Amino acid sequence: QVQLVQSGAEVKKPGASVKVSCKASGYTFTSYGISWVRQAPGQGLEWMGWISAYNGNTNYAQKLQGRVTMTTDTSTSTAYMELRSLRSDDTAVYYCARVGGAYVAWGQGTLVTVSS
Amino acid sequence: SSELTQDPAVSVALGQTVRITCQGDSLRSYYASWYQQKPGQAPVLVIYGKNNRPSGIPDRFSGSSSGNTASLTITGAQAEDEADYYCNSRDSSGNHLFGGGTKLTVL
Repeated sequence: QVQLVQSGAEVKKPGASVKVSCKASGYTFTSYGISWVRQAPGQGLEWMGWISAYNGNTNYAQKLQGRVTMTTDTSTSTAYMELRSLRSDDTAVYYCARVGGAYVAWGQGTLVTVSS
Repeated sequence: SSELTQDPAVSVALGQTVRITCQGDSLRSYYASWYQQKPGQAPVLVIYGKNNRPSGIPDRFSGSSSGNTASLTITGAQAEDEADYYCNSRDSSGNHLFGGGTKLTVL
C-alpha cells in the first residue's frame, strides 16, 4: 500500500533552517508529485508548494518564495522540504502528501518547533 | 481571488444529513477535493473529482458542485464523523488552495 514516512520532530532556534524528509513506498515514486502542507497549532491547513518527482519542477506558495526549497532523491524515493530563516510562526506540523489530482496519501506529519 | 471559504463550524443531529460548503472562484474551473481530519491525525481524503470516494470511505459521504460552490454532504451522520473538514482545489497558476476548515459537531 502507498506509504509516506516522515522524519522526526525538530526543535530549532529562530533564524535556523530545517530539512524534513518524506520517504515513499508502495508506488512508482516518479509517477506522482509531492506537496508539502503545514498546520500551525490550532489552525487550518496551509499549502506550501509542490514538486514533480518525475522532473523536479516546483511551484512554491508565494508567501514562502525565497525561504523554501523542495527536492527529491529518486534513488531512495524520498522527498525533502527545507525551510530557512525560521521564525516563531513557522512552528507547525509539516505534512508531505502524494498528489495525483487529489492528496491521496499523507505522511504522518513532522512537528517543527521554533523557539529561542 | 485565490481563496476558498468555509463556514467555521457546523452541527448535525446523529443520523441526520449535513452539508458542508466551500466557496471560491477557482471552483468554477476546478473540482474540489475534501479531507477529514481528526485531532492529532493526518488528514484523510474523503471525496475527489466530480463525486468520487477512495476505497474505504463510507457511501454516506458525497460531493457536488455548482458555480463557485462545492459541497460535501454526509447523509446519516455518525458519531465518528465528528471532525474538521477541509476543501482543496487549485487555481489557474497551479497553486493549491485549502479552505479554512469546518468543524463538524455531531449532536
